[in-house]
Amino acid sequence: EPEVTQTPSHQVTQMGQEVILRCVPISNHLYFYWYRQILGQKVEFLVSFYNNEISEKSEIFDDQFSVERPDGSNFTLKIRSTKLEDSAMYFCASKSGTSGTDTQYFGPGTRLTVL
Amino acid sequence: DAKTTQPPSMDCAEGRAANLPCNHSTISGNEYVYWYRQIHSQGPQYIIHGLKNNETNEMASLIITEDRKSSTLILPHATLRDTAVYYCIVRVDADYKLSFGAGTTVTVRA
Repeated sequence: EPEVTQTPSHQVTQMGQEVILRCVPISNHLYFYWYRQILGQKVEFLVSFYNNEISEKSEIFDDQFSVERPDGSNFTLKIRSTKLEDSAMYFCASKSGTSGTDTQYFGPGTRLTVL
Repeated sequence: DAKTTQPPSMDCAEGRAANLPCNHSTISGNEYVYWYRQIHSQGPQYIIHGLKNNETNEMASLIITEDRKSSTLILPHATLRDTAVYYCIVRVDADYKLSFGAGTTVTVRA
C-alpha cells in the first residue's frame, strides 16, 4: 500500500540553525500539507501546497517557514532560524484531489528538537 | 468547518465493540464526517468518512444520524492495538486542511 514517508525521523538542532524536513508524498497525489504537534497538544495545520504554490497557510507559518517541491517527488519544509518553541512533531500529508471523498494520508512524522 | 464535540476519554474491554460518539450539530449539507486516529505520537491514521449514509470498511463502521448532527464510530472488536486518540473531523468538500480537536482517548483494556 502506498504511503507517505518522512526523513529524518528525529532531528536535533541548535537554536538559530536552519533545518529542512523532507517528505515523499504518495506518488499520484497532487495536494501536500504540513502539520505540527507540540508535545501534549493538538495537531495543528501549517500549510497546504498545490500546483507549486501555497494554497493556504496558518498564522504559525510565518516568514521563518517555507515549503518547496524541488524535484517532483520530494516536498520539504524549511525553518530558517529555529526557535526553542519550534520543537515538535512535524507531519507531512498528501491527498489526490479536491473531491470531498479524497483522504489525506499522513507520514510517520519528524521529531524536531531545538536546543 | 463545523465544530465537533467528543468525550475526552473512554475505556473499552478487549474483544468488545467500542462506540465513539461525536456531535456536530452545526454541520452543513456539503460537509463530510471524517475519523482519524493517532497511536502514541505517530502520524494520524485515516479510519473512515461519510456524508449521509452509514459506512463500513475493514477497520470500522460509521453511523451518521438522519439529521447528520451526530455520528458514532464503531470498532467492532477492539484490540489492545486500538488504544489511541480518535478524532472526529467535519470537513467541507474541497477544503484544504484538517482541523484537529482534542479527540477521544480510547484505552482498550485486556
